[in-house]
Amino acid sequence: AQKITQTQPGMFVQEKEAVTLDCTYDTSDPSYGLFWYKQPSSGEMIFLIYQGSYDQQNATEGRYSLNFQKARKSANLVISASQLGDSAMYFCAMSLTQGYSTLTFGKGTMLLVSP
Amino acid sequence: EPEVTQTPSHQVTQMGQEVILRCVPISNHLYFYWYRQILGQKVEFLVSFYNNEISEKSEIFDDQFSVERPDGSNFTLKIRSTKLEDSAMYFCASSEVTGGDSYEQYFGPGTRLTVT
Repeated sequence: AQKITQTQPGMFVQEKEAVTLDCTYDTSDPSYGLFWYKQPSSGEMIFLIYQGSYDQQNATEGRYSLNFQKARKSANLVISASQLGDSAMYFCAMSLTQGYSTLTFGKGTMLLVSP
Repeated sequence: EPEVTQTPSHQVTQMGQEVILRCVPISNHLYFYWYRQILGQKVEFLVSFYNNEISEKSEIFDDQFSVERPDGSNFTLKIRSTKLEDSAMYFCASSEVTGGDSYEQYFGPGTRLTVT
């Protein structure tokens, strides 16, 4: 069974600074995908970034990048130049690529960006 | 931009009543999912659906739950006899393909179910 661990219940960052949200995962399957979702206070789940287990390069999407360290089984999200609108809950998730795959989520990290 | 829609946004029901939560997935997507999130907790998988049948379900998805695709657009989650612990945000999601092969699951805005 897959497991996602997010050890930071809350993080604080000042506007315009970079922040790293930690995520470690556990699976015995060699083929999987890692995702980050943002959940603002309004409740919707917004997809941010994806990393495949066989991808050679770290994924990037605008101000978001995923620091993928396969040997350590970590998939940290880096947000550069934080904005006030980045304040939200962030969830790391994974899915397997074989079979009917579902997302397994971590408990989330609440990020607060201050002016 | 295409999106997953869910209705209602908030449903209040009495314990023991049946509720149906509705979702309209993105039109060319083939895989559909229901997740739930109890307030302050992580998102949990309930069920996945493909080709008009359940492809996977979690331990949470017991006999009180059922899913249906009654027509070409809607995807519903029915809870036959609601319990207080069913109070949660219920998310519908859809994807073009399954797995982590670079295809994300698009989430709807959620239905907040409150059981009193």
